[in-house]
Amino acid sequence: QKEVEQNSGPLSVPEGAIASLNCTYSDRGSQSFFWYRQYSGKSPELIMSIYSNGDKEDGRFTAQLNKASQYVSLLIRDSQPSDSATYLCAVERGYGGSQGNLIFGKGTKLSVKP
Amino acid sequence: SQTIHQWPATLVQPVGSPLSLECTVEGTSNPNLYWYRQAAGRGLQLLFYSVGIGQISSEVPQNLSASRPQDRQFILSSKKLLLSDSGFYLCAWSRSSRGFGPGTRLTVL
Repeated sequence: QKEVEQNSGPLSVPEGAIASLNCTYSDRGSQSFFWYRQYSGKSPELIMSIYSNGDKEDGRFTAQLNKASQYVSLLIRDSQPSDSATYLCAVERGYGGSQGNLIFGKGTKLSVKP
Repeated sequence: SQTIHQWPATLVQPVGSPLSLECTVEGTSNPNLYWYRQAAGRGLQLLFYSVGIGQISSEVPQNLSASRPQDRQFILSSKKLLLSDSGFYLCAWSRSSRGFGPGTRLTVL
């Protein structure tokens, strides 16, 4: 089983809709979870972090975490064409000497159509 | 605020040539530093991480090496590049927050 899995997409949504991005992980000891946005040819930028079960909202973005199901998601409300990018889910390792290192999924490509 | 610098931004090198990529961090002290590689069509792969000066841990066996000669400097090296070393190399840091540098796009021909 891969450590962090994401649907590669592409996920296409119309402008103004809600985009839903999902991620599952295998390390039950993980306590910290991150969402990064990566525009083509650019480095990833951190948009959300979440550490506790439940929802965390920041502007148009909402991260959701369910540790029992080993599932984390990102909702983007009122999607804009500028949100078109690849979204990377990252999970912090919770074991051994590599504790604290981030393991990334391959990313979901989001396309927001005007 | 914290800033990461990486250079060069792009690099084209022949197979068998040496490599040196540099990363420096500003605005923080004693960060954890990381080298990631993103190959075409693949995810971000953690190559090395460092928790302090002279302390390097390798995640995957390969012909690359890393060094941390100063607290805020992290270097990725190779004695002889392979075609498979092509990719987008990213330096990252973590302490109170996390971030990536702008990256170096390496093409090995």
